[in-house]
Amino acid sequence: QQQVKQSPQSLIVQKGGISIINCAYENTAFDYFPWYQQFPGKGPALLIAIRPDVSEKKEGRFTISFNKSAKQFSLHIMDSQPGDSATYFCAASKEGGYNKLIFGAGTRLAVHP
Amino acid sequence: EAQVTQNPRYLITVTGKKLTVTCSQNMNHEYMSWYRQDPGLGLRQIYYSMNVEVTDKGDVPEGYKVSRKEKRNFPLILESPSPNQTSLYFCASSPGTGGDSTEAFFGQGTRLTVV
Repeated sequence: QQQVKQSPQSLIVQKGGISIINCAYENTAFDYFPWYQQFPGKGPALLIAIRPDVSEKKEGRFTISFNKSAKQFSLHIMDSQPGDSATYFCAASKEGGYNKLIFGAGTRLAVHP
Repeated sequence: EAQVTQNPRYLITVTGKKLTVTCSQNMNHEYMSWYRQDPGLGLRQIYYSMNVEVTDKGDVPEGYKVSRKEKRNFPLILESPSPNQTSLYFCASSPGTGGDSTEAFFGQGTRLTVV
């Protein structure tokens, strides 16, 4: 069973637009929700992360929105740029879980000029 | 430069021929993990290690072995590879648990094909 469900599978956005990727989780014990960005031929790299004691975290053009009651969180990329074209993975883990990350299936984002 | 190094980057092998994928990190991290990445499934944890000589199974451990004899190295061993182990493999390390220590640093990946 997939503990973290991610959508959409792929996303095409025009330059300057807003990219939105959604994730939902099942295990209420999760307490750390990172987003990883992966370029072709590279390993995933941490983009931004949030803990459930806040509802939003912003770093530059990237924002995580977190809804604890709905068990959902999303990544918003404002003013999307062609350089943002990559695969994005949401993930979840829990304190004391030996840093085991449960990943979503990934979203392939293409930002067209 | 802080990094996780995997070798080889690409590997084609035949069914049943034992192979080892090496992983080394230079950040003195406690935790190391192996993941496999498959289309539509994201990354799934194979094995993890909390410290030297301490390892445990992840979600998809069947057909794999690991060892942690030194803090910096965490090799992945496929004793009898099968075609269903064709995948993209990533090694990752993280400092510890809690706060920013949870951040995982990934290697460049090893693309394995078993024919």
